[in-house]
This record gives sequence, C-alpha cells and structure tokens, in this order.
Amino acid sequence: SQKIEQNSEALNIQEGKTATLTCNYTNYSPAYLQWYRQDPGRGPVFLLLIRENEKEKRKERLKVTFDTTLKQSLFHITASQPADSATYLCALDPEAGTALIFGKGTTLSVSS
Amino acid sequence: GAGVSQSPRYKVAKRGQDVALRCDPISGHVSLFWYQQALGQGPEFLTYFQNEAQLDKSGLPSDRFFAERPEGSVSTLKIQRTQQEDSAVYLCASSLDPGHGSGYTFGSGTRLTVV
Repeated sequence: SQKIEQNSEALNIQEGKTATLTCNYTNYSPAYLQWYRQDPGRGPVFLLLIRENEKEKRKERLKVTFDTTLKQSLFHITASQPADSATYLCALDPEAGTALIFGKGTTLSVSS
Repeated sequence: GAGVSQSPRYKVAKRGQDVALRCDPISGHVSLFWYQQALGQGPEFLTYFQNEAQLDKSGLPSDRFFAERPEGSVSTLKIQRTQQEDSAVYLCASSLDPGHGSGYTFGSGTRLTVV
C-alpha cells in the first residue's frame, strides 16, 4: 500500500542546533514534495516545495532535500530557535495539482 | 480576503444532527480542498474542486458527507446524521494553480465535536 512516514513523532533539540526531520514514502512517484508547519489550533502553513527534478531547496534558515532514489526528503532548520517549535508536516503531490497526501507530522521542541 | 476563512471555528453537534461547514477561499484561487484531521494525525483528503467542478470526492468517508462549491468560490461541507467518529478538525485549503507547484493556503479549520 502507499505510505508516507515521518520517522519521529517528536524531536527535542537545543537552541542554536540544526533540526533534521525525515520523510520517507513508498509506492509513490511524486511530482512535488511539500513541507508545512502547523501550530496548535491552526491550519498548516506552507513552507517549501521541492520538485522531483530538484535535489535541494533553501529558504532562509530552512533547507529541504529530495532523493527520489531513496524515496526520502530531509527538512533542516539551522540555528534553531524556540519559536521554531511546532509540528512539521511532509506532504506528497502525486500527480501535480491533485490532492496532497500528508504524513502524521513531527513535533519539534526547541529549548533555550 | 487575505487568507482562507472557515466558519464556524467550533461546532458541537448532537449525534444525528446535520452540520454545515463553510469555507471562503482566497479570491481568485481556482482549486479548493477539504481535509479532515484527527488528533495527532496529519490531514486526510476528503474532496477537491476546480472552480465549481468537484473533480475528486474519493476521500469522503460515507454518503453522509457532501460538499459543494456552486459558484466556484465559497464552499460548504455538509455532514448529515453526524456520528461520534465524525469528530475532528475540518480544514479547507485553496491554491491558485497547484499544477504548477504553488503551495496550498489553509484555513484555521472547524473543530467539530459530536456528542
């Protein structure tokens, strides 16, 4: 069956360190992979999108990699801050413009 | 508007009651999606509109769930004869042109509690 997994339910790191979140998928050949941030009681907020022919995408302190051979995306937050504490969701777009398929999310806690 | 607006923010329904959840997408956004999010889970796809056309309703869990977008802007998700398992957050998202790789803008959701 088709699956998308975010390996850690929770990740705790110290302020200033780099947080690395993992997203693995099986049985998909996604056109895009997207990362969202979700705070309690709020809807997901779009962060970054990476296409199947891109290896890496950066935005400020965020970096996403996409390895279609390993069927894996890594999401990095450098110089993490307590304000980065939230749940981060990985989402696949299997057919470019159809419904996103989400992972369960990883809850990141950054302590000062 | 500036973002996707959903109403009500909270809804408590007695089992068996019908409910209607409203979504106002960003003006001009062609695509509109409904998702259901259970506690501790990622959002799960319910249905998708492109303008007024419902292109995919494969995620609707039963025939008690119905969605419409008659004029290609505001959408309503209706749940008939609510059951306890319908308790969840219902999220609406819109996108200008998802086929070209734009992200989705989500509303804050409607938290439905069926008692």
